[in-house]
Amino acid sequence: GESVGLHLPTLSVQEGDNSIINCAYSNSASDYFIWYKQESGKGPQFIIDIRSNMDKRQGQRVTVLLNKTVKHLSLQIAATQPGDSAVYFCAETFDNQGGKLIFGQGTELSVKP
Amino acid sequence: DAGVTQSPTHLIKTRGQQVTLRCSPKSGHDTVSWYQQALGQGPQFIFQYYEEEERQRGNFPDRFSGHQFPNYSSELNVNALLLGDSALYLCASSYIGQPNTGELFFGEGSRLTVL
Repeated sequence: GESVGLHLPTLSVQEGDNSIINCAYSNSASDYFIWYKQESGKGPQFIIDIRSNMDKRQGQRVTVLLNKTVKHLSLQIAATQPGDSAVYFCAETFDNQGGKLIFGQGTELSVKP
Repeated sequence: DAGVTQSPTHLIKTRGQQVTLRCSPKSGHDTVSWYQQALGQGPQFIFQYYEEEERQRGNFPDRFSGHQFPNYSSELNVNALLLGDSALYLCASSYIGQPNTGELFFGEGSRLTVL
C-alpha cells in the first residue's frame, strides 16, 4: 500500500554542522508533507509543513524541500545543536483528512559536541 | 495553557484484559486523534473523534474503540488485549476550524505493556 519511508535510520553530525534528513514517499496525491521531531519519552512535536504545490519552505533554522518528480522530501537543519538530537519523522496528509497523518519509520539524529 | 495531557503514563496488563486510556486536548481544541506507536516505528493512526463521534478510522480491529465527551476529552478502549498491543498510545488534538496542514499537538503518551 501507499507509505511514507525514510532512507536512513540513523544520522550522526557534529555540533554546528548542517543536517539533512531524507524521506521518500509514494502517494503523489497527498496535499501536505510534514516533519515531526520526537525526543525520548515525549510525543511528536510539529516542526514544519509544506503544501504539495510548493518545493521549498523555510522556518527557524529549518528548511523543507519537496521534489515531486522523484517523490522525495528532505529536512535541513542549520547549525545543528545538541538539543536537536531526536528521532525525526516525515508524514503526509490530505486536505479532507484532518488529524489523520501517515508517518514514516523515522531517522534518529545524534549531535556530537 | 495546558497542552495535551494523557493518563496513565504507564500501565501493565495481561492478555485478554481490557484497558482504558484518557486524553484531554489542548485548550481551544475540539478534535482528538489517537495513534499507536510500536517501539522503533512511526505512529499509526487509529481513529479521530469530533463532536462526540468517530470521524475517521485507520486499519485497526473493532477491539479498539473510543469515546469523546462534551468537554472534548476522549478515551481509547482496547478489549481482549494481545501481546502485540504493547505500544505507546498517543493522543493528538487540533481545532476543526483550522485548515489541515498536518499540524497536530501530541501528548506524551501512555505506555502499555501486555504480558
